[in-house]
Amino acid sequence: DTGVSQDPRHKITKRGQNVTFRCDPISEHNRLYWYRQTLGQGPEFLTYFQNEAQLEKSRLLSDRFSAERPKGSFSTLEIQRTEQGDSAMYLCASSLGSDTFATNEKLFFGSGTQLSVL
Amino acid sequence: AQTVTQSQPEMSVQEAETVTLSCTYDTSESDYYLFWYKQPPSRQMILVIRQEAYKQQNATENRFSVNFQKAAKSFSLKISDSQLGDAAMYFCAYRSATRASGSRLTFGEGTQLTVNP
Repeated sequence: DTGVSQDPRHKITKRGQNVTFRCDPISEHNRLYWYRQTLGQGPEFLTYFQNEAQLEKSRLLSDRFSAERPKGSFSTLEIQRTEQGDSAMYLCASSLGSDTFATNEKLFFGSGTQLSVL
Repeated sequence: AQTVTQSQPEMSVQEAETVTLSCTYDTSESDYYLFWYKQPPSRQMILVIRQEAYKQQNATENRFSVNFQKAAKSFSLKISDSQLGDAAMYFCAYRSATRASGSRLTFGEGTQLTVNP
């Protein structure tokens, strides 16, 4: 168990640029989540994958955001035409479950990617 | 939509003492799950304890225990024998047990716990 890995740890970009983050979940975990956390707030749900299928998307995930998990392993989160309001920490989490509907299983979180949009 | 409220932005406790962190939530559902997560300066969220709403017995994990009051929609975390390593931001979280509501966790705003030596 090497834990959930996120890359990069920090990203500074200029407004209007595109950015992509990567998440490597724990190897046997079939579920993967993306959350966004702004300063002084709790994480907010963005999207959820069961294997390679994106099963849930938050309304926070605007058209400029896209997430993929092509082979049911690692995932990428891309933000196009970044805005200053996108500045936040982007957290990835993974878990293991037997059904498409998550219940009380334990989520394992990565250390996040801190995005700063100038 | 469900909401989670943590009314204590900051709390402090002396090492070896006991502290209680408060959490209330709002939901119209009868079946759900509640969690406490800890976020140290490393930023990695770590599960502390979880509770199923259908269980009347309060969950315990070593020095951590909860006081789950379903009618009052209250879910407080008690940390006994506080240690310096307990210093962190603590988040209360809710997850629905209803398939139509999805698999997301809804988090509160967090409580920053300081442990004084």
